[in-house]
Amino acid sequence: NAGVTQTPKFRVLKTGQSMTLLCAQDMNHEYMYWYRQDPGMGLRLIHYSVGEGTTAKGEVPDGYNVSRLKKQNFLLGLESAAPSQTSVYFCASSFGPSSYSNQPQHFGDGTRLSIL
Amino acid sequence: DQQVKQNSPSLSVQEGRISILNCDYTNSMFDYFLWYKKYPAEGPTFLISISSIKDKNEDGRFTVFLNKSAKHLSLHIVPSQPGDSAVYFCAASAPRVGNEKLTFGTGTRLTIIP
Repeated sequence: NAGVTQTPKFRVLKTGQSMTLLCAQDMNHEYMYWYRQDPGMGLRLIHYSVGEGTTAKGEVPDGYNVSRLKKQNFLLGLESAAPSQTSVYFCASSFGPSSYSNQPQHFGDGTRLSIL
Repeated sequence: DQQVKQNSPSLSVQEGRISILNCDYTNSMFDYFLWYKKYPAEGPTFLISISSIKDKNEDGRFTVFLNKSAKHLSLHIVPSQPGDSAVYFCAASAPRVGNEKLTFGTGTRLTIIP
């Protein structure tokens, strides 16, 4: 039972490089999310999607792009990495909105990204 | 501006005793609250939730209390067990006004002392 799988688990980039983080879920969830976690900041929402082909901005979207071409996958792209994007990135998915108590967000184990 | 605050970065509790984790919020539109638990190198996992129509919700050893007038919620764990050692995040959303996005607090690291 895989749940939410994030690829890769670790990555080191140089400033200005680009990369894509992949999130895959096997629970047939409609909603998917990308968060970043920084020390003393909690989890902050970057972008989210409420269904295949849809994306929307979260709290801290600048410097990131996303795509949801397939229901099970949600990609997070960094076009030109900056040291301020050093963080742990978490993907999550849910069947419906967060207020559905029996359908909470399920998280992946995170991607630790360092930008030098 | 931190709309959801967990003012205690860490808490240590003896095994078998009660653990109380606190969370305050400033946005009066929030009406749905959740607690997540996170072990190192893993993603957060959902623990328990409460909507603003209630002031208490229980699930086994875990109880969440909501005080809307004080904009305060707390998570009680009784009795505390070593496996409860983790970081706990509270989160809030405002579904009644169409804001389903979760706003997370900064987390409290709970250590259960055997």
